[in-house]
Amino acid sequence: EVQLVESGGGLIQPGGSLRLSCAASGVTVSSNYMSWVRQAPGKGLEWVSVIYSTGDTYYADSVKGRFTISRDNSKNTLYLQMNSLRAEDTAVYYCARGGSTVAPDYWGQGTLVTVSS
Amino acid sequence: DIQMTQSPSSLSASVGDRVTITCRASQGISSWLAWYQQKPEKAPKSLIYAASSLQSGVPSRFSGNGSGTDFTLTISSLQPEDFATYYCQQYNSYPLTFGPGTKVDIK
Repeated sequence: EVQLVESGGGLIQPGGSLRLSCAASGVTVSSNYMSWVRQAPGKGLEWVSVIYSTGDTYYADSVKGRFTISRDNSKNTLYLQMNSLRAEDTAVYYCARGGSTVAPDYWGQGTLVTVSS
Repeated sequence: DIQMTQSPSSLSASVGDRVTITCRASQGISSWLAWYQQKPEKAPKSLIYAASSLQSGVPSRFSGNGSGTDFTLTISSLQPEDFATYYCQQYNSYPLTFGPGTKVDIK
């Protein structure tokens, strides 16, 4: 059974940094497309970033240069390092796996990030 | 960037109804389209990929169709557990983009 468990969310001041983690079981993070998708309160889904099995990474324009996606193969864990956080980054952040394509087939339960002073 | 639109933005339907949601891309995306279902306060659930392929475990009353710029998600006979918001997503090119969602509620 595939399980993705996010952690690391919380309340952070504007300009601060936070690292989200996504611990995976039943799936090998390094062998799949792994993505972060976010959802601001009351809003729709917004794609944030993806890392390929090759290590290639892609980012939404809204986070490029501020967020970094990475993985630790030994821990089978995906990360999202978020720097220079802004109020508009406030959202639930979901970790997701892509199976045969980059489109997710499994999702985590999400972790809430609130950027506020 | 490829813009995704969905229609309608919301609809009211009864159990047993046939429901169709439309998703349109601002440029051709071949069949690189996925559909997701999301219930309040829950994570999205993947329904369809490659425009028409059902994810494992998804009931056969869900179907997807289309290619190029115009796509549909059809629920052949709406069930109580299907009341939710539905999103399309293109994965033809980066940045990946979602549609704004279609909320299906009870008439």
